Amino acid sequence: GENVEQHPSTLSVQEGDSAVIKCTYSDSASNYFPWYKQELGKRPQLIIDIRSNVGEKKDQRIAVTLNKTAKHFSLHITETQPEDSAVYFCAAGAWNSGGSNYKLTFGKGTLLTVNP
Amino acid sequence: SQTIHQWPATLVQPVGSPLSLECTVEGTSNPNLYWYRQAAGRGLQLLFYSVGIGQISSEVPQNLSASRPQDRQFILSSKKLLLSDSGFYLCAWRRGQSSYNEQFFGPGTRLTVL
Repeated sequence: GENVEQHPSTLSVQEGDSAVIKCTYSDSASNYFPWYKQELGKRPQLIIDIRSNVGEKKDQRIAVTLNKTAKHFSLHITETQPEDSAVYFCAAGAWNSGGSNYKLTFGKGTLLTVNP
Repeated sequence: SQTIHQWPATLVQPVGSPLSLECTVEGTSNPNLYWYRQAAGRGLQLLFYSVGIGQISSEVPQNLSASRPQDRQFILSSKKLLLSDSGFYLCAWRRGQSSYNEQFFGPGTRLTVL
């Protein structure tokens, strides 16, 4: 099955700096790569995603890059703010062998702390 | 618009007691439904998923089970809870027709087994 590795597990930056979180995946059939943000005690919420036929996507201060050949993708947050502090999860999506269900496999998360 | 509900929001149960967590989705039909567990400080572990009524796939063998008695209802159960069952249980749904459909999480149930 799919295996998603996420690094680093914790990341501390100063307000205004950039933050980068990296993930690798193992299943070449994965074709969708969402990123979720989870604030303390809350549910994960989608912040950006990228499809396998796209190399880069940007939404204001957030960008995601995908290298299909190397099977890795990254989240970039620029001009970080204290409200960006949260746990961030990457995920890779693929159909099961029978094609009956689509499943996301999540990384273990990165705790981002933005210091004022 | 679609919404997803989970209850209860918090639960404290003794070891060996039964468990029933409920998840319902409104505003859509035939969703794919998922149960995840998140242990303290850890990632999202997929427990079960369902593509339709009565169709359950298990990802991790354990003392938990799931059922889908109605199209938009997903239930997580246990006959006898273990200490290791403590965690944050999240239900999620997505439309099944496309790879690129967003997956939405419910508000979660925080379970403490004592």
